[in-house]
Amino acid sequence: GAGVSQSPRYKVAKRGQDVALRCDPISGHVSLFWYQQALGQGPEFLTYFQNEAQLDKSGLPSDRFFAERPEGSVSTLKIQRTQQEDSAVYLCASSLAEINTGELFFGEGSRLTVL
Amino acid sequence: KQEVTQIPAALSVPEGENLVLNCSFTDSAIYNLQWFRQDPGKGLTSLLLIQSSQREQTSGRLNASLDKSSGRSTLYIAASQPGDSATYLCAVRPNTGKLIFGQGTTLQVKP
Repeated sequence: GAGVSQSPRYKVAKRGQDVALRCDPISGHVSLFWYQQALGQGPEFLTYFQNEAQLDKSGLPSDRFFAERPEGSVSTLKIQRTQQEDSAVYLCASSLAEINTGELFFGEGSRLTVL
Repeated sequence: KQEVTQIPAALSVPEGENLVLNCSFTDSAIYNLQWFRQDPGKGLTSLLLIQSSQREQTSGRLNASLDKSSGRSTLYIAASQPGDSATYLCAVRPNTGKLIFGQGTTLQVKP
């Protein structure tokens, strides 16, 4: 596609529910990143994929967060047993190049509100 | 640990002014630095990417400079317009690969 596409754009979940957020990167992009952005803050790194390999998941805040990219293109970020502190915008970004180089292109984000 | 700081946090200027946004980082071992724009409720739009070997990049009314040794970057906006109102984010790319962001500068340009 022309840009990074994320869905859903908005998600409201009751505390304890599981949610799944989808990211369609730009076609052919090798690198894919997930970021979490709390209100009024800069984005915080969650995890990084190079093709289908998850090379860095050091930013995932707890074991309730899980990400996958099984075929090296579409990625899903799953949050189990959501908590109020999980409320944030989840941003996906992709890059043509492998790690360290290249420009990152971001999607519009998925805004998660946990009640 | 790499930390990125942006000053000021907010800025309000009249239309037509030239302005400078500042970004500083604590570890000079970076591969590149990227400036983004974020409109309310939207994702990030890449403005300029400066590789570590470069000193500046220009796009239209925007000019970004990089002084890696002192850990500083500036984003210069010439002849500001109300449409420039947004949050501007600076992010550095250390050798771990993941972008590390500052908190952003929220700019308001008044007509």
